[in-house]
Amino acid sequence: KQEVTQIPAALSVPEGENLVLNCSFTDSAIYNLQWFRQDPGKGLTSLLLIQSSQREQTSGRLNASLDKSSGRSTLYIAASQPGDSATYLCAVSQVSGSARQLTFGSGTQLTVLP
Amino acid sequence: EAGVAQSPRYKIIEKRQSVAFWCNPISGHATLYWYQQILGQGPKLLIQFQNNGVVDDSQLPKDRFSAERLKGVDSTLKIQPAKLEDSAVYLCASSLWDRAGNTEAFFGQGTRLTVV
Repeated sequence: KQEVTQIPAALSVPEGENLVLNCSFTDSAIYNLQWFRQDPGKGLTSLLLIQSSQREQTSGRLNASLDKSSGRSTLYIAASQPGDSATYLCAVSQVSGSARQLTFGSGTQLTVLP
Repeated sequence: EAGVAQSPRYKIIEKRQSVAFWCNPISGHATLYWYQQILGQGPKLLIQFQNNGVVDDSQLPKDRFSAERLKGVDSTLKIQPAKLEDSAVYLCASSLWDRAGNTEAFFGQGTRLTVV
């Protein structure tokens, strides 16, 4: 059974710092990995999707890397802003029979202090 | 392009009452998911539909939870009777069908359920 772990559970940084969020998974037979952002009381917003054949994806100040063989992904946020404060979740996608399983970590709660 | 729509946004009920949630996925998305997210945890899959058929309901508490997706579009999730531990955010998501699982999942805003 796939297990996804995110470390740290919470992170507080001053504005302007670069930071890295970590995600690890136990079964490397994945098809893709998604990073999501969740604001309090809201749904999930997809930030980046990395296919299993890719090593990284970039969108603006965000860069996500994937090392499938070691079961790890990182989300790098450059020049953090207070508006980046949210919970960041990673999820890995696998296929089991005819079902496409999306397994989530528990998230990292990020606070960027002005 | 319209996103995944869910209603209601919030619901407060007493234990042992019943409740229903509604989801309208992105047009053309064959795959629809219902997730339960308890405060401080990641979302947990309850049920997955491919068109109007169930492909995974292994974590759905079938004694009290039920879901259907008529005509392969909208879906409803029902809880009857509700328990205190059902208090959570219920998220609906949809994606295009890709047998290899390479497609992106899109989520709605969720329904926050409080059982008192």
